[in-house]
Amino acid sequence: QQQVKQSPQSLIVQKGGISIINCAYENTAFDYFPWYQQFPGKGPALLIAIRPDVSEKKEGRFTISFNKSAKQFSLHIMDSQPGDSATYFCAASSSLTGGGNKLTFGTGTQLKVEL
Amino acid sequence: KAGVTQTPRYLIKTRGQQVTLSCSPISGHRSVSWYQQTPGQGLQFLFEYFSETQRNKGNFPGRFSGRQFSNSRSEMNVSTLELGDSALYLCASSGDRDYGYTFGSGTRLTVV
Repeated sequence: QQQVKQSPQSLIVQKGGISIINCAYENTAFDYFPWYQQFPGKGPALLIAIRPDVSEKKEGRFTISFNKSAKQFSLHIMDSQPGDSATYFCAASSSLTGGGNKLTFGTGTQLKVEL
Repeated sequence: KAGVTQTPRYLIKTRGQQVTLSCSPISGHRSVSWYQQTPGQGLQFLFEYFSETQRNKGNFPGRFSGRQFSNSRSEMNVSTLELGDSALYLCASSGDRDYGYTFGSGTRLTVV
């Protein structure tokens, strides 16, 4: 059961443009929504995260927009640069009965920023 | 501070063999989680250890197991390897009050 749906699968953006990646979730128990960036040969690196009591969070060129009623959240990368070319994963997390939590990942978006 | 360290980086094993992967978390982090990453299934949660106890488990067969030591270092074991076990195995650590996971670079396992 895919609990976090991510789109698009791939994205090509011109340098300086805005990259937008969307995710939708089903489980209303999710209470933490991070975005990860992964380069080839590396593990995912936390980019930015948001909790559902906030509708938007900005860190540098990266912004998360969150719509709790629609159960959707998105990543916006402003002024996209070739160095941003990577695979981006959205994820969602909730507390588990035994304590702790686990991340449920989207399927990933391959972003390519062209000169 | 040092990040999450996984060893080895690459492994090639034969079907039927077993393998052990190692993970050293960020100093002070007591939660260690393991994920499997494949092109077909994406990133999937295997299990989480906290204070030497398995706290949560994903939907993987019993061939996949793990343990955590008193220094929070963790090992993951896969027995009776199958071709479908070929994947990037990622370890992530987290602080006690922190949802933010830091991932290692992973161990690339190839089963032939």
